[in-house]
Amino acid sequence: EVQLVESGGGLVKPGGSLRLSCAASGFTFSSYSMNWVRQAPGKGLEWVSSISSSSSYIYYADSVKGRFTISRDNAKNSLYLQMNSLRAEDTAVYYCARGGGQLADYFDYWGQGTLVTVSS
Amino acid sequence: DIQLTQSPSFLSASVGDRVTITCRASQGISSYLAWYQQKPGKAPKLLIYAASTLQSGVPSRFSGSGSGTEFTLTISSLQPEDFATYYCQQLNSYPLWYTFGQGTKLEIK
Repeated sequence: EVQLVESGGGLVKPGGSLRLSCAASGFTFSSYSMNWVRQAPGKGLEWVSSISSSSSYIYYADSVKGRFTISRDNAKNSLYLQMNSLRAEDTAVYYCARGGGQLADYFDYWGQGTLVTVSS
Repeated sequence: DIQLTQSPSFLSASVGDRVTITCRASQGISSYLAWYQQKPGKAPKLLIYAASTLQSGVPSRFSGSGSGTEFTLTISSLQPEDFATYYCQQLNSYPLWYTFGQGTKLEIK
């Protein structure tokens, strides 16, 4: 069974940093692209970042470019999102989602999400 | 950037009804469109990809159609578990980015 479990969310002050993790199991992690998607309270979905299976290709939404860094450790079956210079508008539930064998693909499995709150 | 506009934003319907949700793209996206269902407090679930391909395990009452700039998600006979929010998503492969529609909340009448 495919499982994605996010962790690392919490309350952080504006300008602060946070590192999210996503532990994957039930599939060959190193064969799939991975993604972060967020959802502000009461709002819609927003794509944040994607990383290819071997980390060769990485993309970010303009709203987080230069502040967030996506990475993965295939040996540990884990995906990460380092978030720096956090702003109030980054407050959201952050989901990790599995892509496909290609970098550009739909998101077929999602984690349960971890809440990030940016507030003083 | 490509924008996706869903209509309606809210939809009230009864069990057994046939409902259709539309997603319009600001420019042509071929068939690079997916539909997701999200229930309160839960993660989204992939229903349809490549505009019309049913994801494994998704009931056949869900169907998708369209290409270019106009797409539809149809539920042929609403079941109680279908009341949720639905999102369309487009993918642009190079450079890579994804856009979601604003969502359509389907409520029980």
